[in-house]
Amino acid sequence: RKEVEQDPGPFNVPEGATVAFNCTYSNSASQSFFWYRQDCRKEPKLLMSVYSSGNEDGRFTAQLNRASQYISLLIRDSKLSDSATYLCVVRSTGGFKTIFGAGTRLFVKA
Amino acid sequence: EAGVVQSPRYKIIEKKQPVAFWCNPISGHNTLYWYLQNLGQGPELLIRYENEEAVDDSQLPKDRFSAERLKGVDSTLKIQPAELGDSAVYLCASSLGTNTAEQFFGPGTRLTVL
Repeated sequence: RKEVEQDPGPFNVPEGATVAFNCTYSNSASQSFFWYRQDCRKEPKLLMSVYSSGNEDGRFTAQLNRASQYISLLIRDSKLSDSATYLCVVRSTGGFKTIFGAGTRLFVKA
Repeated sequence: EAGVVQSPRYKIIEKKQPVAFWCNPISGHNTLYWYLQNLGQGPELLIRYENEEAVDDSQLPKDRFSAERLKGVDSTLKIQPAELGDSAVYLCASSLGTNTAEQFFGPGTRLTVL
């Protein structure tokens, strides 16, 4: 079993739709959680950190469920420019080990 | 401010040949990472430096891979000899420190081994 697992998708949604991705992690000692975005043939870039109480950044909402060991990303009012791969990232205690998931591909169509 | 710089951007070599990648991190970033990314997968850590010290190289295949960061700034990653399975994108990233939330990635070097 991989330490960080994501549904690879692809998710194909129309503009304006709401879409949600989940990510599960196996190490209960994991401490920090992030979502990165990676455009095709580009480098990953931080989208947002995920806080225990949940957090929102514009159309993006991230949530953490420590009991079930998963994090989620919700995108509201999808734009064409949201088309990308979304990488779930989990960091262990002390920040010594960072694990990237394989990513979930999103295609937003007009 | 300049981002993480990597060179070359693309490299095509024949198997058994050596290859080297270079990375210049963001100024002031003490932590430097080398990742390998295969198609359809997330980045996988090869080695992490704190200044000039390699603090995590547990995933680096040491029989053929080596890395250095002599002055705690630029870094090179070398493969000798390259194998067909080494074809991938090699990403360099940097951050202010290990516990800093954000890692900044360079554009990567796309390696093709024939």
